[in-house]
Amino acid sequence: GQQLNQSPQSMFIQEGEDVSMNCTSSSIFNTWLWYKQDPGEGPVLLIALYKAGELTSNGRLTAQFGITRKDSFLNISASIPSDVGIYFCAGLPQGGSEKLVFGKGMKLTVNP
Amino acid sequence: EPEVTQTPSHQVTQMGQEVILRCVPISNHLYFYWYRQILGQKVEFLVSFYNNEISEKSEIFDDQFSVERPDGSNFTLKIRSTKLEDSAMYFCASSEVSGNSPLHFGNGTRLTVT
Repeated sequence: GQQLNQSPQSMFIQEGEDVSMNCTSSSIFNTWLWYKQDPGEGPVLLIALYKAGELTSNGRLTAQFGITRKDSFLNISASIPSDVGIYFCAGLPQGGSEKLVFGKGMKLTVNP
Repeated sequence: EPEVTQTPSHQVTQMGQEVILRCVPISNHLYFYWYRQILGQKVEFLVSFYNNEISEKSEIFDDQFSVERPDGSNFTLKIRSTKLEDSAMYFCASSEVSGNSPLHFGNGTRLTVT
């Protein structure tokens, strides 16, 4: 089945630094979504991408839908302590499936 | 902002018992989903539901699982005879349409099977 390879698995950064993470796949995806999950809570949608090449921002977050439709990245600029959490990429594969495929997540730690 | 609500937040049950996890999706959404997340692992798709029937299910969603929309607001997941390996966070999600609208997740029900 389709899989998403998310990297890095974890990052430790200082407050104020920028951070980048990405997801890749050998399969084509029609939709890319980025979620953040805090402990004991559900994934919260950060950014949704629907077209190849699309670049979308949400405050300090920027995400892009790769032109090949097989990858996406998320950047967080000027990190703050509340950015701590696990970031998941998720995608809807080509072919009409409604099954959202998740990456394994990236655990972000921000040191004040 | 409207949100998906799930109850209970934590359910403890004995192996072999039936459990029902409840969800109230966002009111104008038409597609409903259940996902699960075993501790420390990624979120996995279980089932999608549209127009009062299952539209897609994963290999995890075997005969022990069922879903129902008993009225206009609730969406439930039933596990008939729980196993130890069913212990996980179960997330309900909903979307306006399939494909071109994002899924919004509830805060989950932590199921512990002893």
